[in-house]
Amino acid sequence: SQTIHQWPATLVQPVGSPLSLECTVEGTSNPNLYWYRQAAGRGLQLLFYSVGIGQISSEVPQNLSASRPQDRQFILSSKKLLLSDSGFYLCAWSETLGLSGFTFGSGTRLTVV
Amino acid sequence: EDKVVQSPLSLVVHEGDTVTLNCSYEVTNFRSLLWYKQEKKAPTFLFMLTSSGIEKKSGRLSSILDKKELFSILNITATQTGDSAVYLCAVGVNNDMRFGAGTRLTVKP
Repeated sequence: SQTIHQWPATLVQPVGSPLSLECTVEGTSNPNLYWYRQAAGRGLQLLFYSVGIGQISSEVPQNLSASRPQDRQFILSSKKLLLSDSGFYLCAWSETLGLSGFTFGSGTRLTVV
Repeated sequence: EDKVVQSPLSLVVHEGDTVTLNCSYEVTNFRSLLWYKQEKKAPTFLFMLTSSGIEKKSGRLSSILDKKELFSILNITATQTGDSAVYLCAVGVNNDMRFGAGTRLTVKP
């Protein structure tokens, strides 16, 4: 069966520090991978999605970046965090683009202080 | 611009009540509509709807899609305190899914 792992679960980082959140999927090949952010009281906002190794699409301009160095690994990064980067970050995967449901990771709560 | 709008934003009911959550959408290239329940962390999948007028049921929860009027409803009958959560509606379009802001449901004993 397929599983998705995301870590860390919580993170407190100072403004200007770097960020690296990691997500891995097991039990499937060539998944579509996604990073979402959920700010307090708001819906999920798509940040990046990837349909294959090295293929990254960005939905919103920001100081975050994503990379997919391996088929089942998706990394969210920042060189310098801003206060506005605080939020709940969710990684997800799906088999079929836009049609089948997503399976979400357990999320990372990032607080930038 | 794709839009997914959920209403109400929050709802407080008592155990045993029936609730209806709404989701309307305006998107290009609609592929599916999904409902998720989010308690403390990651959303968990409830239903996926692709065809109009076909009700999907799971226990006390049911959902239906109207592709002509561009909306879906999620019904919960005989609510329990364990139903308290944020319910998210998401519409599959092109390469990803667009999420509504969610409805926060609180069920009081």
